[in-house]
Amino acid sequence: GENVEQHPSTLSVQEGDSAVIKCTYSDSASNYFPWYKQELGKGPQLIIDIRSNVGEKKDQRIAVTLNKTAKHFSLHITETQPEDSAVYFCAASIGSGGGADGLTFGKGTHLIIQP
Amino acid sequence: DAEITQSPRHKITETGRQVTLACHQTWNHNNMFWYRQDLGHGLRLIHYSYGVHDTNKGEVSDGYSVSRSNTEDLPLTLESAASSQTSVYFCASSMTVTGELFFGEGSRLTVL
Repeated sequence: GENVEQHPSTLSVQEGDSAVIKCTYSDSASNYFPWYKQELGKGPQLIIDIRSNVGEKKDQRIAVTLNKTAKHFSLHITETQPEDSAVYFCAASIGSGGGADGLTFGKGTHLIIQP
Repeated sequence: DAEITQSPRHKITETGRQVTLACHQTWNHNNMFWYRQDLGHGLRLIHYSYGVHDTNKGEVSDGYSVSRSNTEDLPLTLESAASSQTSVYFCASSMTVTGELFFGEGSRLTVL
Protein backbone atom coordinates (compact mmCIF):
# COMPACT_ATOMS: atom_id res chain seq x y z
CA GLY A 1 0.00 0.00 0.00
CA GLU A 2 0.84 3.67 0.01
CA ASN A 3 3.51 4.97 2.38
CA VAL A 4 3.79 8.67 3.21
CA GLU A 5 6.89 10.03 4.92
CA GLN A 6 6.77 13.51 6.44
CA HIS A 7 9.67 15.69 7.60
CA PRO A 8 10.58 17.26 9.89
CA SER A 9 8.64 15.98 12.89
CA THR A 10 9.20 19.30 14.67
CA LEU A 11 9.94 22.68 13.09
CA SER A 12 10.63 25.88 15.00
CA VAL A 13 10.77 29.19 13.11
CA GLN A 14 10.84 32.84 14.06
CA GLU A 15 7.65 34.78 13.56
CA GLY A 16 7.68 36.35 10.12
CA ASP A 17 9.98 33.73 8.61
CA SER A 18 8.90 31.00 6.19
CA ALA A 19 8.26 27.36 7.04
CA VAL A 20 8.50 24.38 4.72
CA ILE A 21 7.23 20.88 5.44
CA LYS A 22 8.05 18.06 3.06
CA CYS A 23 6.36 14.76 2.26
CA THR A 24 7.23 11.86 0.02
CA TYR A 25 4.92 9.11 -1.15
CA SER A 26 5.56 5.67 -2.58
CA ASP A 27 2.72 4.88 -4.95
CA SER A 28 2.97 6.61 -8.31
CA ALA A 29 -0.80 6.12 -8.75
CA SER A 30 -1.54 8.64 -5.97
CA ASN A 31 -3.37 11.61 -7.41
CA TYR A 32 -4.70 13.69 -4.51
CA PHE A 33 -2.58 15.42 -1.85
CA PRO A 34 -4.31 17.35 0.96
CA TRP A 35 -2.78 19.14 3.94
CA TYR A 36 -4.53 19.29 7.30
CA LYS A 37 -3.83 21.56 10.26
CA GLN A 38 -4.58 20.40 13.79
CA GLU A 39 -4.70 22.92 16.61
CA LEU A 40 -4.33 21.78 20.19
CA GLY A 41 -7.38 19.88 21.41
CA LYS A 42 -9.16 20.02 18.07
CA GLY A 43 -9.67 17.83 15.04
CA PRO A 44 -7.64 18.31 11.85
CA GLN A 45 -8.90 20.86 9.33
CA LEU A 46 -8.15 20.98 5.62
CA ILE A 47 -6.05 24.02 4.70
CA ILE A 48 -5.06 23.30 1.12
CA ASP A 49 -4.99 20.42 -1.35
CA ILE A 50 -3.56 19.69 -4.77
CA ARG A 51 -4.33 17.18 -7.48
CA SER A 52 -1.84 15.48 -9.74
CA ASN A 53 -2.62 17.58 -12.79
CA VAL A 54 -1.31 20.71 -11.06
CA GLY A 55 2.27 21.50 -10.00
CA GLU A 56 1.57 24.30 -7.55
CA LYS A 57 -1.36 25.86 -5.73
CA LYS A 58 -1.42 28.97 -3.58
CA ASP A 59 -3.88 30.42 -1.09
CA GLN A 60 -2.71 33.66 0.53
CA ARG A 61 0.31 32.78 2.73
CA ILE A 62 0.07 29.04 2.08
CA ALA A 63 1.27 27.19 -0.99
CA VAL A 64 1.71 23.55 -1.93
CA THR A 65 4.05 22.22 -4.60
CA LEU A 66 3.97 18.78 -6.18
CA ASN A 67 6.73 16.94 -8.03
CA LYS A 68 5.20 13.77 -9.44
CA THR A 69 8.44 12.56 -10.96
CA ALA A 70 10.21 12.63 -7.61
CA LYS A 71 7.04 11.69 -5.72
CA HIS A 72 7.22 14.48 -3.22
CA PHE A 73 5.10 17.46 -2.25
CA SER A 74 5.67 20.33 0.13
CA LEU A 75 3.75 22.88 2.18
CA HIS A 76 5.11 26.41 2.27
CA ILE A 77 3.93 28.98 4.78
CA THR A 78 5.25 32.51 4.36
CA GLU A 79 5.26 35.37 6.88
CA THR A 80 4.48 32.98 9.71
CA GLN A 81 2.25 34.18 12.54
CA PRO A 82 1.61 32.82 16.06
CA GLU A 83 -1.69 31.30 14.93
CA ASP A 84 0.23 29.09 12.50
CA SER A 85 1.52 27.08 15.47
CA ALA A 86 -0.10 23.65 15.14
CA VAL A 87 0.48 20.09 13.93
CA TYR A 88 0.35 19.73 10.14
CA PHE A 89 -0.43 16.47 8.36
CA CYS A 90 0.14 15.67 4.72
CA ALA A 91 -1.76 12.87 3.02
CA ALA A 92 -1.85 11.05 -0.28
CA SER A 93 -4.63 9.11 -1.89
CA ILE A 94 -4.56 6.17 -4.27
CA GLY A 95 -8.34 5.89 -4.35
CA SER A 96 -9.97 6.52 -7.70
CA GLY A 97 -10.60 10.25 -7.86
CA GLY A 98 -8.91 10.69 -4.48
CA GLY A 99 -11.47 8.97 -2.27
CA ALA A 100 -11.06 9.52 1.46
CA ASP A 101 -10.96 5.79 2.10
CA GLY A 102 -7.68 5.69 0.24
CA LEU A 103 -6.04 8.53 2.17
CA THR A 104 -2.73 7.70 3.86
CA PHE A 105 -1.53 10.34 6.32
CA GLY A 106 2.00 11.31 7.23
CA LYS A 107 2.98 11.24 10.89
CA GLY A 108 2.67 14.99 11.32
CA THR A 109 4.90 18.02 11.84
CA HIS A 110 4.67 20.13 14.98
CA LEU A 111 5.24 23.71 13.81
CA ILE A 112 6.27 26.15 16.52
CA ILE A 113 6.32 29.86 15.78
CA GLN A 114 8.75 31.67 18.08
CA PRO A 115 7.81 35.30 18.92
CA ASP B 1 -24.44 25.78 11.81
CA ALA B 2 -23.96 22.20 10.72
CA GLU B 3 -21.41 20.29 12.73
CA ILE B 4 -19.94 16.95 13.74
CA THR B 5 -19.91 16.01 17.40
CA GLN B 6 -18.26 13.18 19.28
CA SER B 7 -19.08 11.79 22.70
CA PRO B 8 -17.75 11.18 25.19
CA ARG B 9 -14.75 13.48 24.82
CA HIS B 10 -12.85 11.57 27.49
CA LYS B 11 -13.34 8.03 28.75
CA ILE B 12 -11.43 5.67 31.01
CA THR B 13 -12.34 2.00 30.91
CA GLU B 14 -10.97 -1.37 31.90
CA THR B 15 -9.54 -4.13 29.74
CA GLY B 16 -12.25 -6.42 28.41
CA ARG B 17 -15.13 -3.97 28.65
CA GLN B 18 -17.24 -2.98 25.68
CA VAL B 19 -17.01 0.68 24.75
CA THR B 20 -19.00 2.71 22.23
CA LEU B 21 -17.92 6.09 20.95
CA ALA B 22 -20.65 8.17 19.36
CA CYS B 23 -20.36 10.35 16.27
CA HIS B 24 -23.17 12.58 15.01
CA GLN B 25 -23.11 14.94 12.04
CA THR B 26 -25.74 17.38 10.88
CA TRP B 27 -24.41 18.04 7.37
CA ASN B 28 -26.34 15.14 5.87
CA HIS B 29 -23.05 13.74 4.53
CA ASN B 30 -23.21 10.21 3.16
CA ASN B 31 -19.55 9.48 3.91
CA MET B 32 -18.32 8.98 7.48
CA PHE B 33 -14.99 7.76 8.84
CA TRP B 34 -13.30 6.77 12.07
CA TYR B 35 -9.57 7.36 12.62
CA ARG B 36 -7.28 6.81 15.54
CA GLN B 37 -4.37 9.12 16.29
CA ASP B 38 -1.27 7.89 18.08
CA LEU B 39 2.13 9.49 18.59
CA GLY B 40 4.47 8.30 15.90
CA HIS B 41 1.66 6.96 13.70
CA GLY B 42 -0.35 9.96 12.61
CA LEU B 43 -3.94 9.25 11.63
CA ARG B 44 -4.96 5.71 10.74
CA LEU B 45 -8.30 4.69 9.27
CA ILE B 46 -10.35 2.22 11.33
CA HIS B 47 -13.71 1.94 9.52
CA TYR B 48 -15.72 3.97 7.05
CA SER B 49 -19.19 4.14 5.57
CA TYR B 50 -20.51 5.52 2.29
CA GLY B 51 -24.15 5.43 3.29
CA VAL B 52 -26.86 3.82 5.39
CA HIS B 53 -26.15 0.13 6.01
CA ASP B 54 -22.75 0.40 4.28
CA THR B 55 -19.60 -0.28 6.35
CA ASN B 56 -16.02 -1.00 5.30
CA LYS B 57 -12.82 -1.95 7.09
CA GLY B 58 -9.86 0.38 7.14
CA GLU B 59 -6.20 -0.13 7.85
CA VAL B 60 -6.56 -0.94 11.58
CA SER B 61 -10.04 -2.45 11.96
CA ASP B 62 -9.26 -5.45 14.21
CA GLY B 63 -11.12 -5.17 17.52
CA TYR B 64 -13.50 -2.46 16.24
CA SER B 65 -16.92 -2.45 14.62
CA VAL B 66 -19.32 0.17 13.27
CA SER B 67 -22.92 0.25 12.17
CA ARG B 68 -24.79 2.82 10.07
CA SER B 69 -28.52 2.80 10.66
CA ASN B 70 -29.08 6.43 9.59
CA THR B 71 -27.22 9.18 7.75
CA GLU B 72 -26.30 11.20 10.84
CA ASP B 73 -24.62 8.63 13.10
CA LEU B 74 -21.67 6.23 12.91
CA PRO B 75 -20.96 4.75 16.37
CA LEU B 76 -17.65 2.99 16.90
CA THR B 77 -17.68 -0.07 19.19
CA LEU B 78 -14.74 -1.75 20.86
CA GLU B 79 -16.08 -5.20 21.64
CA SER B 80 -13.47 -6.03 24.28
CA ALA B 81 -11.20 -3.08 25.02
CA ALA B 82 -7.44 -3.69 25.09
CA SER B 83 -4.64 -1.44 26.35
CA SER B 84 -3.39 -1.16 22.77
CA GLN B 85 -6.62 0.68 21.96
CA THR B 86 -5.72 3.58 24.25
CA SER B 87 -5.74 6.44 21.75
CA VAL B 88 -7.47 9.57 20.54
CA TYR B 89 -10.30 8.74 18.16
CA PHE B 90 -11.55 11.09 15.47
CA CYS B 91 -14.74 10.85 13.50
CA ALA B 92 -14.96 12.61 10.14
CA SER B 93 -17.47 13.09 7.37
CA SER B 94 -17.37 14.28 3.78
CA MET B 95 -19.92 15.37 1.22
CA THR B 96 -18.34 13.46 -1.62
CA VAL B 97 -15.96 10.52 -1.79
CA THR B 98 -13.28 12.81 -3.17
CA GLY B 99 -14.05 15.73 -0.93
CA GLU B 100 -12.74 17.47 2.14
CA LEU B 101 -12.90 15.60 5.44
CA PHE B 102 -14.60 17.43 8.32
CA PHE B 103 -13.35 16.14 11.66
CA GLY B 104 -14.92 16.09 15.09
CA GLU B 105 -12.94 17.26 18.11
CA GLY B 106 -11.90 13.78 19.14
CA SER B 107 -12.54 11.27 21.92
CA ARG B 108 -9.65 10.38 24.20
CA LEU B 109 -9.95 6.76 25.35
CA THR B 110 -7.79 5.24 28.05
CA VAL B 111 -7.92 1.47 28.61
CA LEU B 112 -6.45 0.37 31.96
